[in-house]
Amino acid sequence: DGGITQSPKYLFRKEGQNVTLSCEQNLNHDAMYWYRQDPGQGLRLIYYSQIVNDFQKGDIAEGYSVSREKKESFPLTVTSAQKNPTAFYLCASSMESGGTTGELFFGEGSRLTVL
Amino acid sequence: AQTVTQSQPEMSVQEAETVTLSCTYDTSESDYYLFWYKQPPSRQMILVIRQEAYKQQNATENRFSVNFQKAAKSFSLKISDSQLGDAAMYFCAYRSARHDDMRFGAGTRLTVKP
Repeated sequence: DGGITQSPKYLFRKEGQNVTLSCEQNLNHDAMYWYRQDPGQGLRLIYYSQIVNDFQKGDIAEGYSVSREKKESFPLTVTSAQKNPTAFYLCASSMESGGTTGELFFGEGSRLTVL
Repeated sequence: AQTVTQSQPEMSVQEAETVTLSCTYDTSESDYYLFWYKQPPSRQMILVIRQEAYKQQNATENRFSVNFQKAAKSFSLKISDSQLGDAAMYFCAYRSARHDDMRFGAGTRLTVKP
């Protein structure tokens, strides 16, 4: 079945460690996104990529890094520079051509907890 | 930058009754999309309904309908015949027709009382 797969679902990290969240899609979508969700704040954009080998910072990119070496994959690294990384992270994708309606398709999310 | 505002952090409705969730947005663009997403306790984001700004007719999907007021920049969601399974967080979202990022409101938590 086509969809977006995020892994791991739950991740624990010690302070000072970098961690990488995986996001893979088999929908042949051009664009991919990472959002962070905190209670009472909705979804905030971290990074997005509209094409392979290109990506843009969102509103809260500090302390995060991404890569887009393949169309299907958009991993997010949470670095030790991120001051408050405990959150729920959502990956999404969308088709950017062919008269689409702009809908984002989401993965099931990854819950990161810093110990 | 575009902003999306949901002024109701929490709402409740009796089963089988109707509830309306509010959303306003700010943009200088004329061509865009608006969405309502549902996030149940599983936290999977599910698209409920979408509206293209160039369409004057309000979108409808079964028990879900919107009231899109472009001049007022308002996009409310009406849920008719509410069911227990409708209980969730509901997010209003905006996306430019340029297809860059999608902006979300803070969400409204909907409780359905049996």
